Amino acid sequence: GQQVMQIPQYQHVQEGEDFTTYCNSSTTLSNIQWYKQRPGGHPVFLIQLVKSGEVKKQKRLTFQFGEAKKNSSLHITATQTTDVGTYFCAGEGNEKLTFGTGTRLTIIP
Amino acid sequence: DTEVTQTPKHLVMGMTNKKSLKCEQHMGHRAMYWYKQKAKKPPELMFVYSYEKLSINESVPSRFSPECPNSSLLNLHLHALQPEDSALYLCASSQDDRMNTEAFFGQGTRLTVV
Repeated sequence: GQQVMQIPQYQHVQEGEDFTTYCNSSTTLSNIQWYKQRPGGHPVFLIQLVKSGEVKKQKRLTFQFGEAKKNSSLHITATQTTDVGTYFCAGEGNEKLTFGTGTRLTIIP
Repeated sequence: DTEVTQTPKHLVMGMTNKKSLKCEQHMGHRAMYWYKQKAKKPPELMFVYSYEKLSINESVPSRFSPECPNSSLLNLHLHALQPEDSALYLCASSQDDRMNTEAFFGQGTRLTVV
């Protein structure tokens, strides 16, 4: 079945440093979505990428979808304490959304 | 109203109990989902309902029984669960099941089976 892996599994950064998480799918995706889950919370939708090579920005967050539509990345510039949480990519294939393994971000103030 | 409401928030049940988890949305979404999430793991899809019909069952054991009474409600009936079924159960909805729109998640029910 479809597998979606993310690296790194954990990332600890000093407040103000940048952060990147990478997402790789075993199959070509129709689209990719990104979600953030705060500790003790539920996943919250951030963005969806559909086109090959697409880049989208939301304030300090930059999302990319690979040319082959099998990988994606999320980059956060100048992290803040409010960025703490687990970031999941979720790839759509076979009419199902498969969540990646997630990257847990912790911020050192 | 962009909320998905789940009840109860917490549930402790014995292995011989029967209980139900409830989920409600009033966004007019026609696709609803149950996910199971273990600690430090991603959500795993269990069931998908599209236009009130079960469209995907991810080989979930029969001790979990979903039900969609109408387009706004989704239930998950639990019977004879095992301790390893303890997890966060998340309900989600989206505009339709074509997966090209965002999924809205409820706060989840944290289930403990004793």
